[in-house]
Formats: sequence, C-alpha cells, structure tokens
Amino acid sequence: EVQLVESGGDLVQPGGSLRLSCAASGFTFSTYDMHWVRQAPGKGLEWVSGIGTAGDTYYLGSVKGRFTTSRENARNSFYLQMNSLRAGDTALYYCARGAPQGFDPWGQGTQVTVS
Amino acid sequence: QSVLTQPPSASGTPGQRVTISCSGSSSNIGSHNVYWYQQLPGTAPKLLIYGNYQRPSGVPDRFSGSKSGTSASLAISGLRSEDEGDYYCAAWDDSVSGHVFGTGTKVTVL
Repeated sequence: EVQLVESGGDLVQPGGSLRLSCAASGFTFSTYDMHWVRQAPGKGLEWVSGIGTAGDTYYLGSVKGRFTTSRENARNSFYLQMNSLRAGDTALYYCARGAPQGFDPWGQGTQVTVS
Repeated sequence: QSVLTQPPSASGTPGQRVTISCSGSSSNIGSHNVYWYQQLPGTAPKLLIYGNYQRPSGVPDRFSGSKSGTSASLAISGLRSEDEGDYYCAAWDDSVSGHVFGTGTKVTVL
C-alpha cells in the first residue's frame, strides 16, 4: 500500500525554524517527484514546494529564500526546512506524491503553528 | 492568492447533476493539464481527475472532467450525500513556475 506519513509539525515563535519530514512507503520513492501543500485554518489548498527526481526544486513565491526542500532516497524520505517562520505560515502541511497523474496520494498532514 | 477561480459553493438534491467551473488563464489551464481534488470533511485531499478528464482507478464514473480553452469543469452526476465536501481544481502555472490550486468549491447535498 502506498503511504505517506508527515512529522515535525509544532508550535513555534515568529522567526523560528522547523523541519518537516515525510516518510514514504509502498512505491519506488526515487522515481517520483514529491510535493508539500499547505492548508491554513478554514482556507483552501496552497502548493508550497516540490522536488524532482534529480533534486530540482520549486517553491511558492512567498517562501522562496525561507524554505528548502530536500530528499533522501536511501531513507525514502523528503523534508521541508522552514526558516524565518511567519504567522502566515500557520497551516496543516501535507506531503503528496507527484506524477503526471497528479498529486496522489496525500499524507494526513502535520500542523505548523507560528505564534 | 489563488489564480484559478471557482464558485464558492454548489448544491443539489440527491440524484441531481452538479457542475463546478474553474477559470484560469493561458499560463495555466490554457497550456497545461487540469486536476481535480476532493476533500471530504476532516480528511486529506484525494485525487479525483487527472489529465483534464481521466479518472484514477476507484473513482466512480459519476465524476467527470472537461476543459476548454482557459476553463475547466467538474461534473458530479447522481449526487450522493457522501459527495459533500470541498472540491479544488489545480494546474501548473508557467508565470509562477509552480502549481496553483483553485479557490475551492463547497458542495452541499440538500
């Protein structure tokens, strides 16, 4: 069964840092792009970042320079290093497997609260 | 701020057909595939449609997608109570070099 499990969410003060992790299982991790998508309380979905199979990265404009996505294929994991956190970054952060067939599946999310 | 515009709500009675629109531009829908995601209350989003109109295995054929120019639509036929939730369109956007989601549509079954 394909599964994604996020971890690392927490309550952090403005200006602080957090590192989110996403552990993948049930598929050949190294052959897929991976993405982070967030959802602020009561709001819609917002794509945050993606990393390709070759390690190429893509970011939402408002997080460029503050967030860094990386992957560790040997551990079937990828990460989101978040620095200089702001109140506006407060959200439930989902990881999702990317493909030409869309983001599928999604993890259950990890909560990041900046306050 | 979402660049794909959806109506905030849509509703219908059981068995009816509901259509949700998604309006974009030449840099996103006009030149890239559209995806639709379903988010039921308290759950993670789930892929509903990919490649404009294709359904992943396990998605009922009551759900159908279409695209024309810079707009796309999701239709739900034979509406059921378990279809209540939020629906989002998405596409790659060349102008921001990233994926963008629609504003979301809340579907209510009356």
